[in-house]
Amino acid sequence: GDSVTQMEGPVTLSEEAFLTINCTYTATGYPSLFWYVQYPGEGLQLLLKATKADDKGSNKGFEATYRKETTSFHLEKGSVQVSDSAVYFCALSDSSGGYQKVTFGTGTKLQVIP
Amino acid sequence: EPEVTQTPSHQVTQMGQEVILRCVPISNHLYFYWYRQILGQKVEFLVSFYNNEISEKSEIFDDQFSVERPDGSNFTLKIRSTKLEDSAMYFCASSLTGTTDTQYFGPGTRLTVL
Repeated sequence: GDSVTQMEGPVTLSEEAFLTINCTYTATGYPSLFWYVQYPGEGLQLLLKATKADDKGSNKGFEATYRKETTSFHLEKGSVQVSDSAVYFCALSDSSGGYQKVTFGTGTKLQVIP
Repeated sequence: EPEVTQTPSHQVTQMGQEVILRCVPISNHLYFYWYRQILGQKVEFLVSFYNNEISEKSEIFDDQFSVERPDGSNFTLKIRSTKLEDSAMYFCASSLTGTTDTQYFGPGTRLTVL
């Protein structure tokens, strides 16, 4: 079945540091890939997405490129801020079974310190 | 921007009691979903719903669970006889189509079973 593996957290960075959160996936079809973010005490917000190979999703300074050859969708940001502290979930949706469901990774907690 | 809303934000119940979690999906969306996140664990798919019937459900979604769209705006998840292990954050999501479209998540309902 489909699965998403992302790096263990927590990740602690100083403000303005470079961020990478690794994510790899396994899917039977041609999934769409997502990064969702969960700020403390809040729900899941879509951060960015990519629907086909080599697509780059970007939002709020975050980027991720859909790499089919390495089955990866790593999240990057050039300069993190304290306000980026949250849990980041890599996810995929695969409609090969006819109806889509989203499969999530375990989440990576990011803490940015001033 | 339209959003998915959920009520209540926090529900506390006694083991064996019935609970109903409510969601108002984005108004023009046709596909509806429930997910849950046990504290510290990954977000897991429960069920998808389209055209007034369940289109897919996971192994978690047993006979204790049911979903309903009682009117044109609400989408509910009922747990008939809650167990301690049902304590989790429950997220509702909706999408315009059921295949490649993005799912938008609500803020979640935290269910605590005592």
